[in-house]
Amino acid sequence: EADIYQTPRYLVIGTGKKITLECSQTMGHDKMYWYQQDPGMELHLIHYSYGVNSTEKGDLSSESTVSRIRTEHFPLTLESARPSHTSQYLCASSDPGQGNTGELFFGEGSRLTVL
Amino acid sequence: RKEVEQDPGPFNVPEGATVAFNCTYSNSASQSFFWYRQDCRKEPKLLMSVYSSGNEDGRFTAQLNRASQYISLLIRDSKLSDSATYLCAGTSSSNTGKLIFGQGTTLQVKP
Repeated sequence: EADIYQTPRYLVIGTGKKITLECSQTMGHDKMYWYQQDPGMELHLIHYSYGVNSTEKGDLSSESTVSRIRTEHFPLTLESARPSHTSQYLCASSDPGQGNTGELFFGEGSRLTVL
Repeated sequence: RKEVEQDPGPFNVPEGATVAFNCTYSNSASQSFFWYRQDCRKEPKLLMSVYSSGNEDGRFTAQLNRASQYISLLIRDSKLSDSATYLCAGTSSSNTGKLIFGQGTTLQVKP
C-alpha cells in the first residue's frame, strides 16, 4: 500500500470560501503532483513539484496554488472557491530512484463540491 | 487533438472472454508508457509498465508500437473483478516525469 494521504476526503463548501487540500507522503519521494479529475474524464495535471521550494504549473490552468516547504507535504489552496472548482483532486508522488519516470502513487483523492 | 486518446467504451464482455484495449499517443517524444487501473470513485493504481518488447503479467499483456504510436492492453480469461476503468499514460515530451493520462476505457465483465 502507498503511504500517501489526502485530507479531507470529501468537502462541501460555499462559494467564496478559502480551502486547503492536504497531501502528505511518508515515502521520501521528491516528486509530487496534483491532478484534477471530473467524473468519466481524464486526469489533468494542475501542479507538480520536484522537491522542496520547487513548484510548477501543470498542463491544465488552475486557479489553485501549491507550496512545498517540506518534502513530505504538498498542500493545494483555493483562495476563493467557485462552483467551477467542483471536482476530484488527486495527489501523487513518485520515486526519483526510478529516474525521470516511474510509478505514480496516488492518494485516495479529495472530492470537492462548491455550492 | 489530445496527447493520449482512448476509446472510453464501455466494453461489456462475459466472464472468460479476451478483451483488448488500444491507446494512441500523439507525441513521438514520449519515452515511457503505463497502464493504470482505476476502480469507481477510487484512485488510479499502476497495473503495468509497457515496454517495446511487450510484457506479460499473468492474464495481462501490454505492448507498445512506436511506429504507429499506440499501446495495447490484452486481458485474457476476464474475471468479474477486472471490471474497472483502465487508464493509459505516457510521459510528457519534456520527459520530466510528468504523466499524461488518457480518458480511460471502462470494462464491465458480466457473469
